[in-house]
This record gives sequence, C-alpha cells and structure tokens, in this order.
Amino acid sequence: EPEVTQTPSHQVTQMGQEVILRCVPISNHLYFYWYRQILGQKVEFLVSFYNNEISEKSEIFDDQFSVERPDGSNFTLKIRSTKLEDSAMYFCASRDRIRTDTQYFGPGTRLTVL
Amino acid sequence: RKEVEQDPGPFNVPEGATVAFNCTYSNSASQSFFWYRQDCRKEPKLLMSVYSSGNEDGRFTAQLNRASQYISLLIRDSKLSDSATYLCVVDLYNQGGKLIFGQGTELSVKP
Repeated sequence: EPEVTQTPSHQVTQMGQEVILRCVPISNHLYFYWYRQILGQKVEFLVSFYNNEISEKSEIFDDQFSVERPDGSNFTLKIRSTKLEDSAMYFCASRDRIRTDTQYFGPGTRLTVL
Repeated sequence: RKEVEQDPGPFNVPEGATVAFNCTYSNSASQSFFWYRQDCRKEPKLLMSVYSSGNEDGRFTAQLNRASQYISLLIRDSKLSDSATYLCVVDLYNQGGKLIFGQGTELSVKP
C-alpha cells in the first residue's frame, strides 16, 4: 500500500538554526499539506500546496516558514530560524483530489528546539 | 467558539462496553467530515468518513447532523485495541482542502 514518508523521524536543533523537514507524498497525489502538533495539543493546519504554489496557509505559517517541491517527489518544510515554541511533531499529508478523497498522513518528524 | 469541539476525555471503559463520542463544528462551510484515530505520538489515521445518512463499519457507527452541526461516533463491543485518541475532523474544500481537527477524545479500554 502506498504511503507518505518523512525524514528525519527526530530532529534536534539549537534555537536560531534553520531546519528542513522532508516528505515524500504518495506518488500520484496532487495536494500536499503540512500540519503540526505541539505535545498535548491538537493537530493544527500549517499550509496547503497545489500546482507548485501555496493554496492556503494559517496564521502560524509566518515568514519563518517556507515550503517547496524541489523535484517530482519531495515536499519540504523549511523553518529559517527556529524558536523554542517550534518544538512539535510535524506531519506531512497528501491527497489525490479534493471532494472525493481524504488525506493520508506521514509518520511525522519530531522537532526539538533547544 | 472553537472550530471543532469534542467531548473532553479521558473515557475509561471495560472491554465490551459501548461508548459514544460527540463533536460539534462551527464553520457551516465545512463540507466533509471524518473520524481519525491517533495512537500515542503517531500520525492520525483515517477511521471512517461521516455521512448525513449515517454509516457503519463493523463495530463503528458515525452520524452527521448538518442542521445542528453535530457529529457522533459510536463504538460497540469495545476492544483493548480500541484504546487511542479519537479525532473529529472537518474538511474545508474551499480553503485548499485543509483539515480542521478537534482536540481529540482519549479512550482507554480496560480488561
């Protein structure tokens, strides 16, 4: 069964450093998403991406964040200058189409900012 | 008002019990509805979609009432393996298809 993969599974970084979280969505999917979940809190939407551009972003997704699909398979989330409060699980998701398909989530990257 | 609101947990039930979870949503533009399951520190996994006519998948029954913006999940004959956090989720097609999650209701099934 096809699945979304994410690397690394755990990233530890110093405050102020840049991190790049990587995702490989399911191969025929067209819509890509990032979510985050701070420990003990709900899953929160960050950004959606379709046709090589951002289609929707949340208030959390400020100028410190960016997304990219550098090739035909990877989908990345970059945080330019990490803060302590960026510590969370980051989930990538993809879907084939809106309206008739739901999203499939990767296993997540746990980001710890020290 | 929270966009998606769920029963606070945890629910502690014995094996074989029937348990019901409730959820309300505030955005009337919400277009699809789901229950996801999340095990500790793992990714959310789709449990089932929710339709206005009600739908059943084995021991699980989901119901949607659009007029009152209310979603429910019923689990019958609960198993130890049902222990998890259950997430009520709405899908906003006209906002990039983003999913809005409730805070989740934790279920613990005891022998």
